[in-house]
Amino acid sequence: GAVVSQHPSWVICKSGTSVKIECRSLDFQATTMFWYRQFPKQSLMLMATSNEGSKATYEQGVEKDKFLINHASLTLSTLTVTSAHPEDSSFYICSAKPSGAPYEQYFGPGTRLTVT
Amino acid sequence: AQKITQTQPGMFVQEKEAVTLDCTYDTSDPSYGLFWYKQPSSGEMIFLIYQGSYDQQNATEGRYSLNFQKARKSANLVISASQLGDSAMYFCAMRRNQAGTALIFGKGTTLSVSS
Repeated sequence: GAVVSQHPSWVICKSGTSVKIECRSLDFQATTMFWYRQFPKQSLMLMATSNEGSKATYEQGVEKDKFLINHASLTLSTLTVTSAHPEDSSFYICSAKPSGAPYEQYFGPGTRLTVT
Repeated sequence: AQKITQTQPGMFVQEKEAVTLDCTYDTSDPSYGLFWYKQPSSGEMIFLIYQGSYDQQNATEGRYSLNFQKARKSANLVISASQLGDSAMYFCAMRRNQAGTALIFGKGTTLSVSS
């Protein structure tokens, strides 16, 4: 149980285009999902906290107009990178917190984004 | 402010030997949780072990044990009988102050296991 999927697993896009990444909890409901970014050989940095039915909370320094987050259902959160630039190339990982479980969270397999 | 420090960028160990990966933390909250994750080259984050600040005993999960020294604010991961498949990046993490919120990660330690 407690499986989180991400789609796509990797994507290449051209500079200036937008790309959407999906994070799904497959066998549990998640009122809260988290989006992290990881540059090569570096740590995971929290970008934003996504709450079902409300606006996402962004970390300091993360542009909310560039990284659009939508948590429209209890099993799906999406991250859209708008007007992507090469510096947005990174590994994006989501995690999902089961509803009613204060301390648990489960990670998705990640999405590797390359902007050319 | 909460902080996780991993001072070993890389560690090398031979198969069947034990290895300790260091982690120190800083928090002013009396209630906190500490995690260790393994990240192989595929990128997935694999949960290894969890230690709560009020847990009396050190956590163990199979070959993984957490050496929790609260007064020193350290939570070192001990892997016994290393295997080639243990080669990966290892992250120590702490739950942020509010329950149910995200994790703060250390910079990670790359473990290389040789035969």
